[in-house]
Amino acid sequence: EAGVAQSPRYKIIEKRQSVAFWCNPISGHATLYWYQQILGQGPKLLIQFQNNGVVDDSQLPKDRFSAERLKGVDSTLKIQPAKLEDSAVYLCASSLDRVGTGGLADTQYFGPGTRLTVL
Amino acid sequence: QKEVEQNSGPLSVPEGAIASLNCTYSDRGSQSFFWYRQYSGKSPELIMFIYSNGDKEDGRFTAQLNKASQYVSLLIRDSQPSDSATYLCAATGSANNLFFGTGTRLTVIP
Repeated sequence: EAGVAQSPRYKIIEKRQSVAFWCNPISGHATLYWYQQILGQGPKLLIQFQNNGVVDDSQLPKDRFSAERLKGVDSTLKIQPAKLEDSAVYLCASSLDRVGTGGLADTQYFGPGTRLTVL
Repeated sequence: QKEVEQNSGPLSVPEGAIASLNCTYSDRGSQSFFWYRQYSGKSPELIMFIYSNGDKEDGRFTAQLNKASQYVSLLIRDSQPSDSATYLCAATGSANNLFFGTGTRLTVIP
């Protein structure tokens, strides 16, 4: 079974530029997550999609970050304009979210991440 | 703000010893708990999940959950140098999204 795919793996940009990241989840996984992981910290959820609808985007800095998941499969995360503090690894994850689990969470599987450096 | 707290370490144990990693969480509504391992420069990979109070064993790993104390732990028996990594504890929020701790860095000394 193929895992979560992300591209690019690395990106270096200057502040105020824009950047986009792409994610393709595991086939059949309904839920897709974007996380930001700053060096030395745990991943922080930016946005959660179920199929093509947004479930939680409460921690997404909406003045500069946007994300979409057209057709309920792959997703893009965009930053415009980038700031120095956006330097981080952006992780995409997906989960199956089976019916009938009594509300218990399914495992999230992570992609390799995109390491963003903002100069 | 939901929080998950971990001792950032580093935690050093000799090869063959038991490593004990601890985590507390703030949201009493959290129902599912996960331990992920993250090697340097890599993405998190699942070690174990636990939903019910008590212990859950999988090979050399044992997860322990105490919902009354809002406490989760991971024991690694017969620690190996390949276990050297950062261990992330996560608890679910209302939408079954995950809140992660900052991770505990474990070093197993040969």
